[in-house]
Amino acid sequence: KAGVTQTPRYLIKTRGQQVTLSCSPISGHRSVSWYQQTPGQGLQFLFEYFSETQRNKGNFPGRFSGRQFSNSRSEMNVSTLELGDSALYLCASSAGLVSYNEQFFGPGTRLTVL
Amino acid sequence: QKEVEQDPGPLSVPEGAIVSLNCTYSNSAFQYFMWYRQYSRKGPELLMYTYSSGNKEDGRFTAQVDKSSKYISLFIRDSQPSDSATYLCAIRSGNQFYFGTGTSLTVIP
Repeated sequence: KAGVTQTPRYLIKTRGQQVTLSCSPISGHRSVSWYQQTPGQGLQFLFEYFSETQRNKGNFPGRFSGRQFSNSRSEMNVSTLELGDSALYLCASSAGLVSYNEQFFGPGTRLTVL
Repeated sequence: QKEVEQDPGPLSVPEGAIVSLNCTYSNSAFQYFMWYRQYSRKGPELLMYTYSSGNKEDGRFTAQVDKSSKYISLFIRDSQPSDSATYLCAIRSGNQFYFGTGTSLTVIP
């Protein structure tokens, strides 16, 4: 069974731009969660989507948004990029709500904001 | 205060050594504890999880939780070069996950 895939793997943007990241979960998984990973803050939860609905949200500004499609694929969008948004963005999928199921991480998208 | 604190290291040990990785947490209500391993350029993968105080063993790995001290540990016996990675502790509380910043471990052959 194929793992979680994320595209693109690397991205360079400038301040003020916006970016869209994509995540394809493991086949059959219905929950997708997004995380931001930085050396100083570690892994921080952004949001979780289950059956196209946002079920849970972390403490990030409204510039960070996401959505999930009927095939469970998910996208994350960051608008008006800031230098501090440079990070590894990880997507994780689980069979059901992440509260009750193991989550499997993708390799991440490395975003650099210049 | 962060929910989970973890010493970032880096930690460097010779092959065969016993490794101890540690985290502290702030909320005594936390009940579900996990350890993840993350290799370079990869996402984290779940190593072990436990609900309660005490020890849980899986091969060369032992997870320990001390709820009275709000302290969690991961021990690696007979460490191997393939154990070189970043280890993240994590706590789930309801539907929220809190991760440590990770400890970088290098096992030298």
